[in-house]
Amino acid sequence: ETGVTQSPTHLIKTRGQQVTLRCSSQSGHNTVSWYQQALGQGPQFIFQYYREEENGRGNFPPRFSGLQFPNYSSELNVNALELDDSALYLCATGLRTETQYFGPGTRLLVL
Amino acid sequence: AQRVTQPEKLLSVFKGAPVELKCNYSYSGSPELFWYVQYSRQRLQLLLRHISRESIKGFTADLNKGETSFHLKKPFAQEEDSAMYYCALSGPEGAQKLVFGQGTRLTINP
Repeated sequence: ETGVTQSPTHLIKTRGQQVTLRCSSQSGHNTVSWYQQALGQGPQFIFQYYREEENGRGNFPPRFSGLQFPNYSSELNVNALELDDSALYLCATGLRTETQYFGPGTRLLVL
Repeated sequence: AQRVTQPEKLLSVFKGAPVELKCNYSYSGSPELFWYVQYSRQRLQLLLRHISRESIKGFTADLNKGETSFHLKKPFAQEEDSAMYYCALSGPEGAQKLVFGQGTRLTINP
């Protein structure tokens, strides 16, 4: 049973605001990846952190940023929210090159 | 460019019938291929990955490099197989940094 948790489960923001989403990894997992899943689409890779450093980034603007903490929990920050940022945000944790385990996601609605 | 295509958004078959979910990919190199599944009200989970060559819940998938395909098959569908299925690939960095297809919603009719 995976121990990956995400908070909050859902939230509503308005255009221009900033949001922080959180992910707690399963014990021992040193890699976290974040994905954006728009309605009716597959998840899209945002970025990955390995041992607190960014280790790859998808095609997302700099207003999407992240952090990984020494306990391997992670944050995804999005500044200057746009309507198109409305989506399900997934984190996935694991050991590098091994299977990654997904959290339940945070559903963000931007009005 | 890396791309995964799942041509069917919806697939409906009867219980006991064979199932095949199609996946084609585009990648300049040797990717690793995966199938992920999401059951109703559950999180996304790995079903199988091509390097392990396992059969999970009766599903198998063969990587065909010539046709750049990784179709998911099961000889006899069961009602509990109803779910959303995503094909995904990753590069040489391994199981991270996945590129997903749009997904196929599989419905098994009784």
